Amino acid sequence: EPEVTQTPSHQVTQMGQEVILRCVPISNHLYFYWYRQILGQKVEFLVSFYNNEISEKSEIFDDQFSVERPDGSNFTLKIRSTKLEDSAMYFCASSEGGTGAQYFGPGTRLLVL
Amino acid sequence: GQQLNQSPQSMFIQEGEDVSMNCTSSSIFNTWLWYKQDPGEGPVLLIALYKAGELTSNGRLTAQFGITRKDSFLNISASIPSDVGIYFCAGPYAGNNRKLIWGLGTSLAVNP
Repeated sequence: EPEVTQTPSHQVTQMGQEVILRCVPISNHLYFYWYRQILGQKVEFLVSFYNNEISEKSEIFDDQFSVERPDGSNFTLKIRSTKLEDSAMYFCASSEGGTGAQYFGPGTRLLVL
Repeated sequence: GQQLNQSPQSMFIQEGEDVSMNCTSSSIFNTWLWYKQDPGEGPVLLIALYKAGELTSNGRLTAQFGITRKDSFLNISASIPSDVGIYFCAGPYAGNNRKLIWGLGTSLAVNP
């Protein structure tokens, strides 16, 4: 069964450093998303992406964040200058259409020191 | 803004028991999604509901989309130890089907 994959599974970085989180969505899906989950809290929406552009973003997704689909399979989230409060699990998701079920990857655990 | 309230917050049951949990909102939803999350892993979609009154099963799991479109429940029958985890309801934000908002989850523990 097709699934969303994410790399790396864990990332430790120093405050102020740039990180890039990578995702391979399900191949026939057209909509892509990033969510994050701070330890013990609920999942929070960051951004949705369709047709090579951002379609929606939350207030969390400020100028330090960017997304890109560099080729036909990868979808990346870049954090330019990480802060301590960026420490969280970051989940990529994809959906076939713009409505309905979103399928999540296993997540990248980011720790900013 | 839209909020999803899940209850109960946690449950501790004996293996073999049935479980029921629900999700309510003050706003109308057009889609209800139920996910399960194991520690350190991503949410796994269990059931998707698209129509008011819809009742859908997935193995031992059954979920219903409330007639008012403001609630949904998830039942697990004959629980087993691997049902342990956190169950989340989620739904698309008003006017934007691509942005999911989430409940806080129901944590389920099963005593073998």
